Amino acid sequence: GENVEQHPSTLSVQEGDSAVIKCTYSDSASNYFPWYKQELGKRPQLIIDIRSNVGEKKDQRIAVTLNKTAKHFSLHITETQPEDSAVYFCAASLGYSGGGADGLTFGKGTHLIIQP
Amino acid sequence: DVKVTQSSRYLVKRTGEKVFLECVQDMDHENMFWYRQDPGLGLRLIYFSYDVKMKEKGDIPEGYSVSREKKERFSLILESASTNQTSMYLCASSPPSGLAGGSTDTQYFGPGTRLTVL
Repeated sequence: GENVEQHPSTLSVQEGDSAVIKCTYSDSASNYFPWYKQELGKRPQLIIDIRSNVGEKKDQRIAVTLNKTAKHFSLHITETQPEDSAVYFCAASLGYSGGGADGLTFGKGTHLIIQP
Repeated sequence: DVKVTQSSRYLVKRTGEKVFLECVQDMDHENMFWYRQDPGLGLRLIYFSYDVKMKEKGDIPEGYSVSREKKERFSLILESASTNQTSMYLCASSPPSGLAGGSTDTQYFGPGTRLTVL
């Protein structure tokens, strides 16, 4: 089955600086890669996702890059703000191209701390 | 707006009890999922369902079963609860394939049920 590794487990950055979280996956058939943000005591919320036919995707201060050859993808947050403090999870799945629904395999999470 | 609800936010049960966790979504989603979340381990897939009465094992199905009698409802069952099943349980759903304007793979999560087994 799929295995997703996520690094670092904790990341502390100064407010206004950039943050990068990296993930690797093992199954070359995976083609859907979402990122979720989870604030303390709340449910995970999708913040951005990317498919294998795209190398990069941006949404305001957030971007995700995907390298299918190397089987890794990264989350980039620029101009970090206090409200970016949360736990971030990467995930991978076959997506619908697998012929039906597929569950997500998650990384273990990164606790992002924005220092004022 | 997608709404996924879970029957309880907190639940305390005793070892050996049969436990039902309920999840309901109101967006006519075909696919529903159960995950458990543990500190340092992330979220792990227990079971999922892509249609009424259909179910598929996830990565950690041992000790669990599921039921999907209606499209909007997906239940997780612990036949005989054990202390190592103390965890946060999260339900999720995703839209049917071909839905215009959104990712058909996007999973929307419920608020979670924190289960403690004593």
